[in-house]
Amino acid sequence: DIVVTQSPLSLPVTPGEPASISCRSSQSLLHGNGHNYLDWYLQKSGQSPQLLIYLGSTRASGVPDRFNGSGSGTDFTLKISRVEAEDVGVYYCMQALQTPRTFGPGTKVDI
Amino acid sequence: EVQLVESGGGLVKPGGSLRLSCSASGFTFSNVWMSWVRQAPGKGLEWVGRIKSKTDGGTTDFVAPVRGRFAISRDDAKSTLSLQLNSLKTEDTAVYYCATDRWGAFDNWGQGTLVTVSS
Repeated sequence: DIVVTQSPLSLPVTPGEPASISCRSSQSLLHGNGHNYLDWYLQKSGQSPQLLIYLGSTRASGVPDRFNGSGSGTDFTLKISRVEAEDVGVYYCMQALQTPRTFGPGTKVDI
Repeated sequence: EVQLVESGGGLVKPGGSLRLSCSASGFTFSNVWMSWVRQAPGKGLEWVGRIKSKTDGGTTDFVAPVRGRFAISRDDAKSTLSLQLNSLKTEDTAVYYCATDRWGAFDNWGQGTLVTVSS
């Protein structure tokens, strides 16, 4: 199985400031079609997870452009250009290259 | 608007069975792969299994701890996804979410249904 790790596991943030989360996989997530099969999700307190980024860098519908995904192969980053209060929650990355799909442990972001 | 509504959760004894349902609307259900993801209390997310669309073979795949105990099926006529949980263990206690599975991403999620396995 592909192991996915995240850092940091806890991230205090300041509104208006940038924030960054790192995600690493034990195997390359680059498919032969040129896409990296890495997703980012946000789970706000008491809510279901929501998709932020898929294929490494494609923003999901309705996701603000302050969220940006980057990286390739085994190293990926989610950057929030200017944190807003509503961005608090737990962020998960997940590899979608092969089954079983595996999630990272989550990064708790709070103000 | 896409809607996914899970039901069927509850309290069950170890070794027991339960059937979860996910009612879908707002999209062409038959064309979409579907997955189940669970979250144990206070823990992270774990992918449980997936069923492909019938066009893509309709096959299922599961994470190792549930393989042989859980089964996924779909009724495209009723836009309903099911998860049959057998031989339940205490470690299966979790909120179970159904999700649309497109481009390898879970782009829509239900609200989840809680399964508690306890004697």
